[in-house]
Amino acid sequence: GAGVSQSPSNKVTEKGKDVELRCDPISGHTALYWYRQSLGQGLEFLIYFQGNSAPDKSGLPSDRFSAERTGGSVSTLTIQRTQQEDSAVYLCASSLVPGGGAFSYNSPLHFGNGTRLTVT
Amino acid sequence: KQEVTQIPAALSVPEGENLVLNCSFTDSAIYNLQWFRQDPGKGLTSLLLIQSSQREQTSGRLNASLDKSSGRSTLYIAASQPGDSATYLCAVRRNTGNQFYFGTGTSLTVIP
Repeated sequence: GAGVSQSPSNKVTEKGKDVELRCDPISGHTALYWYRQSLGQGLEFLIYFQGNSAPDKSGLPSDRFSAERTGGSVSTLTIQRTQQEDSAVYLCASSLVPGGGAFSYNSPLHFGNGTRLTVT
Repeated sequence: KQEVTQIPAALSVPEGENLVLNCSFTDSAIYNLQWFRQDPGKGLTSLLLIQSSQREQTSGRLNASLDKSSGRSTLYIAASQPGDSATYLCAVRRNTGNQFYFGTGTSLTVIP
């Protein structure tokens, strides 16, 4: 079946503009993660959605960042008033179950190819 | 907080060699550990997942081991091939919280 799909693959924007990044997870996957990967840095956790539970927003770096997940499927990450330090690859991942908890056995993360964001 | 370290940062080997990549983590209270590969301009592809109760997992030429008490995991690649050239990342999921903690990866080059 189809993997995790992210769009756009590349986005160039001017400083101060808002951007929206989209993630379409694998059908049936209840857990969805957003990570950010900057050059020479490890992956930085941003936000986590699981089913209908309240999202874990503990990784969002500022209030300019927000994310939604509609209908338990597609997710949108929005960055308002972009800054140059927001330039990075934004990766989305989904899994069948969260990868933890009593019912997890083999629930690997499946990643999309990411959106490369460049803020000029 | 969980710190994940991967050494070396880069590795270059001739084709056919067996090799070991290392991953260490500071908090042994983990739920599972995953190894990924990342090709340039691409997302991460899951290679192996080891639950905390397991000691190793194997897939083809890959074998991952886990020593939770010492905070270490290794990824063994047998008979390396040029197609194995990529960045390899490990990630751990703690018993508490939702996120996976990633290392910064080992960039592997297999020379034909």
